[in-house]
Amino acid sequence: AQSVTQLDSHVSVSEGTPVLLRCNYSSSYSPSLFWYVQHPNKGLQLLLKYTSAATLVKGINGFEAEFKKSETSFHLTKPSAHMSDAAEYFCVVSFDRGSTLGRLYFGRGTQLTVWP
Amino acid sequence: DTEVTQTPKHLVMGMTNKKSLKCEQHMGHRAMYWYKQKAKKPPELMFVYSYEKLSINESVPSRFSPECPNSSLLNLHLHALQPEDSALYLCASSLQVRYEQYFGPGTRLTVT
Repeated sequence: AQSVTQLDSHVSVSEGTPVLLRCNYSSSYSPSLFWYVQHPNKGLQLLLKYTSAATLVKGINGFEAEFKKSETSFHLTKPSAHMSDAAEYFCVVSFDRGSTLGRLYFGRGTQLTVWP
Repeated sequence: DTEVTQTPKHLVMGMTNKKSLKCEQHMGHRAMYWYKQKAKKPPELMFVYSYEKLSINESVPSRFSPECPNSSLLNLHLHALQPEDSALYLCASSLQVRYEQYFGPGTRLTVT
């Protein structure tokens, strides 16, 4: 079965400190992995994607994520948080085959709060 | 340009009304999607269109009726909705179904 687990429902950091949002997945197939961000009352914006090329993926706004197959993880990091990073973050998995084609599997979301 | 547009931004409708949501993209994408998102939850897939054909219907009630008139446009027709249908409705598109999806800003629907 396919599933995505975001280990933290809430993460709070101070501005200028590192951000770590954790994501693990379970899959029978080779996945494509994404992180999306959603600001209040907005749509989802694609931060970055992993599609079986380099395991360290750089995204927009200084975010990056590392795909670790042995740990089935795809954690999102940023060296220095900014107030504008406060939002909901979703870890998302998709698979390139069969009945799963076209479906995104979402984690429950992590609410990031950034304190001044 | 990675923009998906949705209209209207907000919609309030009674349970006997008929209304439509519209989604448009001009990126040459051939897959389009409707999602429903309740507060503090991830989006839930409703429908997938691939090359203007409905390929996935996630057992959505018939009061929601999707339509894909051409490769750039996706509609969601609403009729006899219930208050529990109040949510943010998101449209997305991708080059094909196996590629990353780009989301629109959503329509905030309130059913009274």
